Amino acid sequence: GDSVTQMEGPVTLSEEAFLTINCTYTATGYPSLFWYVQYPGEGLQLLLKATKADDKGSNKGFEATYRKETTSFHLEKGSVQVSDSAVYFCALLNTGGFKTIFGAGTRLFVKA
Amino acid sequence: DGGITQSPKYLFRKEGQNVTLSCEQNLNHDAMYWYRQDPGQGLRLIYYSQIVNDFQKGDIAEGYSVSREKKESFPLTVTSAQKNPTAFYLCASSPNTRLMAEAFFGQGTRLTVV
Repeated sequence: GDSVTQMEGPVTLSEEAFLTINCTYTATGYPSLFWYVQYPGEGLQLLLKATKADDKGSNKGFEATYRKETTSFHLEKGSVQVSDSAVYFCALLNTGGFKTIFGAGTRLFVKA
Repeated sequence: DGGITQSPKYLFRKEGQNVTLSCEQNLNHDAMYWYRQDPGQGLRLIYYSQIVNDFQKGDIAEGYSVSREKKESFPLTVTSAQKNPTAFYLCASSPNTRLMAEAFFGQGTRLTVV
């Protein structure tokens, strides 16, 4: 079945460091891919998405490129801030699918 | 503003009690979902509904029940049969599953068994 694997956390970085959170997926067909962010005590919010191969999703300085050849959707940010501290979830929704498949989440801590 | 409202934010349940978590959306979305999140873990799907008066079990439906009598409402009941109900519960909706659109989430309900 469809699945999403993302790097285990926590990831701890200093402010202004470069961020990469790896995400790979297994799916038949042509899924849409998403990154969601969860701040402490809150629900998830969509951070960015990509709906076809080679698409790049971007938002608030975060980027991720849909790589079909490597089945990956890695999240990157050039310079993190303390306010980026949160849990990040990679997810997919497959063609004709009815439910989003989530990865286990990666907790990010950014130190001032 | 449009969105999803979950209530209450915190809920305490005694052993053997049933409790109902509320989820209301004014986004006119067809599909609604309930997820459970345990500390340090991802989201697990409990139930989902693609249309009014219809719903399906997700991956961990045992000990839970739902109803979808109105498009905007999808309450979740945690029954006494759920042996380990302490968790963070998230409700979500999406406009139409065929549109491959993202899910919109509520703020969550934290349920604790006392």
